[in-house]
Amino acid sequence: DAGVIQSPRHEVTEMGQEVTLRCKPISGHDYLFWYRQTMMRGLELLIYFNNNVPIDDSGMPEDRFSAKMPNASFSTLKIQPSEPRDSAVYFCASLEGRSLDEQFFGPGTRLTVL
Amino acid sequence: GDSVTQMEGPVTLSEEAFLTINCTYTATGYPSLFWYVQYPGEGLQLLLKATKADDKGSNKGFEATYRKETTSFHLEKGSVQVSDSAVYFCALSEPNFGNEKLTFGTGTRLTIIP
Repeated sequence: DAGVIQSPRHEVTEMGQEVTLRCKPISGHDYLFWYRQTMMRGLELLIYFNNNVPIDDSGMPEDRFSAKMPNASFSTLKIQPSEPRDSAVYFCASLEGRSLDEQFFGPGTRLTVL
Repeated sequence: GDSVTQMEGPVTLSEEAFLTINCTYTATGYPSLFWYVQYPGEGLQLLLKATKADDKGSNKGFEATYRKETTSFHLEKGSVQVSDSAVYFCALSEPNFGNEKLTFGTGTRLTIIP
């Protein structure tokens, strides 16, 4: 398996623009997690899905952030409009529900908002 | 709620030195405990885990023992190498309580000097 795939790996955009981050989980994994990592706040869980349904979005910072999982093999995290303080590395991770064992992380998307 | 407290970094050691990174936790029930490692520019990856009291997780020369009486899961390695330089995260989950998400510590940056 190719592991968790995220795209793009790097994104540079200007304040006010819409940003869409993408994630493909490992096949057969029924949980998907979105995290944000910054120097100031460390690693934060933004939202997670089980069987494509959002379970907990309490970590989503504000209405500018939204996440969807239209099917078992694809999820998006959208920021509209983006702000400089959104600059961070965003990770996606997936988990097999049957074992509830190891979360597998993607390589991350480094977002820079100018 | 659940929480993880780990040793503040950064930690700098010479090659072949002994490593300990402390981790303590607070949980509702009987959590599973994890150590994740993040190498520069990469996502997190599981280093080792333990799912019940007195279990010892081990991998790549690292070890950690699940101590219920002290609610701890300290990471140790007898002789570190330059390639061990990374950020280490202690984490827990409580899948038996319907909590599949990971609660992370703040991370400890480790630098090994040749």
